[in-house]
Amino acid sequence: GAVVSQHPSWVICKSGTSVKIECRSLDFQATTMFWYRQFPKQSLMLMATSNEGSKATYEQGVEKDKFLINHASLTLSTLTVTSAHPEDSSFYICSARGGSADTQYFGPGTRLTVL
Amino acid sequence: KQEVTQIPAALSVPEGENLVLNCSFTDSAIYNLQWFRQDPGKGLTSLLLIQSSQREQTSGRLNASLDKSSGRSTLYIAASQPGDSATYLCAVKGGANNLFFGTGTRLTVIP
Repeated sequence: GAVVSQHPSWVICKSGTSVKIECRSLDFQATTMFWYRQFPKQSLMLMATSNEGSKATYEQGVEKDKFLINHASLTLSTLTVTSAHPEDSSFYICSARGGSADTQYFGPGTRLTVL
Repeated sequence: KQEVTQIPAALSVPEGENLVLNCSFTDSAIYNLQWFRQDPGKGLTSLLLIQSSQREQTSGRLNASLDKSSGRSTLYIAASQPGDSATYLCAVKGGANNLFFGTGTRLTVIP
């Protein structure tokens, strides 16, 4: 099956700093990428959807200026958490979908801890 | 807005038992429903995908059913093994092509 990678797998940063998370589709072209956030013992919540070459569409309640998403190529999307605070600590998971396919392939997730 | 609920939230069974996980959703206008497995601190592994026109899918010891009109799906796991211990998530794909996830069922299979 298709493979989606994320980097880093975990990151610890100080409050106020910015953190960039990469999501790559390794063996297919991802026309659409999704970013999810998962708090402990909760389910995944969609943060934003991005199509290659266009601006991301953010879900209600997600600050676009705080969570910057760039989908510059068909194999790479990045999520930058700007001026991170402890409440941003969470598990961030990306997924990717190619063309009109039904299936979304999920990355292994990135654990962000903000001190 | 679509709401997906999974019952029970947690389940412990002895090894070898058959078990059923439940998923319900409020809006029956879905494209498909998918069951995932998530191990602690890990990403998601897709187990089964049922299109809205289908009633069930099977893969090995797993069988998933879908009753779209009543907004329900079940995941049946036969002859459970300790390696099946994980959190199981169901997700429905709605009109905006987004996935709506349930809160998951945390399964523990006791050796």
